[in-house]
Amino acid sequence: DGGITQSPKYLFRKEGQNVTLSCEQNLNHDAMYWYRQDPGQGLRLIYYSQIVNDFQKGDIAEGYSVSREKKESFPLTVTSAQKNPTAFYLCASRGGGTDTQYFGPGTRLTVL
Amino acid sequence: EDQVTQSPEALRLQEGESSSLNCSYTVSGLRGLFWYRQDPGKGPEFLFTLYSAGEEKEKERLKATLTKKESFLHITAPKPEDSATYLCAVQARAGGTSYGKLTFGQGTILTVHP
Repeated sequence: DGGITQSPKYLFRKEGQNVTLSCEQNLNHDAMYWYRQDPGQGLRLIYYSQIVNDFQKGDIAEGYSVSREKKESFPLTVTSAQKNPTAFYLCASRGGGTDTQYFGPGTRLTVL
Repeated sequence: EDQVTQSPEALRLQEGESSSLNCSYTVSGLRGLFWYRQDPGKGPEFLFTLYSAGEEKEKERLKATLTKKESFLHITAPKPEDSATYLCAVQARAGGTSYGKLTFGQGTILTVHP
């Protein structure tokens, strides 16, 4: 089945630790995105990548880093510099000549 | 700056009671408006894309419409399984190209009681 997978589903982090969230897609999409969702707020763009080996900052990139070494994979690292990392993180991809972004199931990150 | 406002924040309906959700937007040239459905603890599920004023799209009990300033998601004879958060997002044109950035509203939480 084609789709987007994110792992883990739940992640707990101690203050001062870096953690990496996984996002994989087998849709052959060129573009991939990371969003953050907080209660009562809309999704906010963290980073995006339109092609392998290239990525750009979104609206709230501070404290996050990404890489895009393979078309299928776009991991997000939440660094210790991120002041308030507890949130629901969503990965999306877009391709096939359409504007539609398709989302993965999400990772809920909690800082202890 | 692109902005999206959804209303109401929450809507409670009885099964079979039709209603509409509103999405008002301001954008510097609309490339597309998107509707998603999100269940608790899950990722958003794509419903519709609308590109130009006057366009309408339907899927089962849902119909989305678009004007130059807002979009409506009409729900006809809803069922309890339609309960979810409905998200609206816009994509702007940017110098003739678009990297696909979506600006989201905060969502409308719909609850349908049996």
